[in-house]
Amino acid sequence: KAGVTQTPRYLIKTRGQQVTLSCSPISGHRSVSWYQQTPGQGLQFLFEYFSETQRNKGNFPGRFSGRQFSNSRSEMNVSTLELGDSALYLCASSLWSGTYANTGELFFGEGSRLTVL
Amino acid sequence: KNEVEQSPQNLTAQEGEFITINCSYSVGISALHWLQQHPGGGIVSLFMLSSGKKKHGRLIATINIQEKHSSLHITASHPRDSAVYICAVLRGNTDKLIFGTGTRLQVFP
Repeated sequence: KAGVTQTPRYLIKTRGQQVTLSCSPISGHRSVSWYQQTPGQGLQFLFEYFSETQRNKGNFPGRFSGRQFSNSRSEMNVSTLELGDSALYLCASSLWSGTYANTGELFFGEGSRLTVL
Repeated sequence: KNEVEQSPQNLTAQEGEFITINCSYSVGISALHWLQQHPGGGIVSLFMLSSGKKKHGRLIATINIQEKHSSLHITASHPRDSAVYICAVLRGNTDKLIFGTGTRLQVFP
């Protein structure tokens, strides 16, 4: 069974540009969540999608957005990049049956490492 | 004060030692995750707990909901256990994960 696939793995952008990251969940998983990891702030929750709907959003500015397609693949977009957006962006998929306590094990991708110059 | 606190921040051990990593949280939760992150970034979910105790191989995780505390134990530690271990709680009624800052474990042969 293929794992969670994130592309691209590494990318370099300059300030002001925008970036789109992709996440393909494990087949059958309908929940995809996104996280940002930086040395200073650690891991932080960005947002979570289930069946093409954003269910939850973390405390990030509107420059951070995402979407989920009908095949459960998800993309996140960061516009007007700032130096502080340099981070490892991780996505995770899970079988979500309605309550996290039932089937909430998270399966993470390897991450997309973004460097903003 | 962080809503999820882990201790210790760094831990070194000799191969074969018994390891304990602690996680305390200050919010109501519906579940707690223990995650393992190796150099390079990949994260693996070790346990998801909402009560009691779980065991998988040499790993044991416990949670005490009343005391808002969880522990991750590694028996007979091995150099391949060297990684960062992260506690994350699912805040009750919000489905948002809040992460601890992680415990960096190094096991020497």
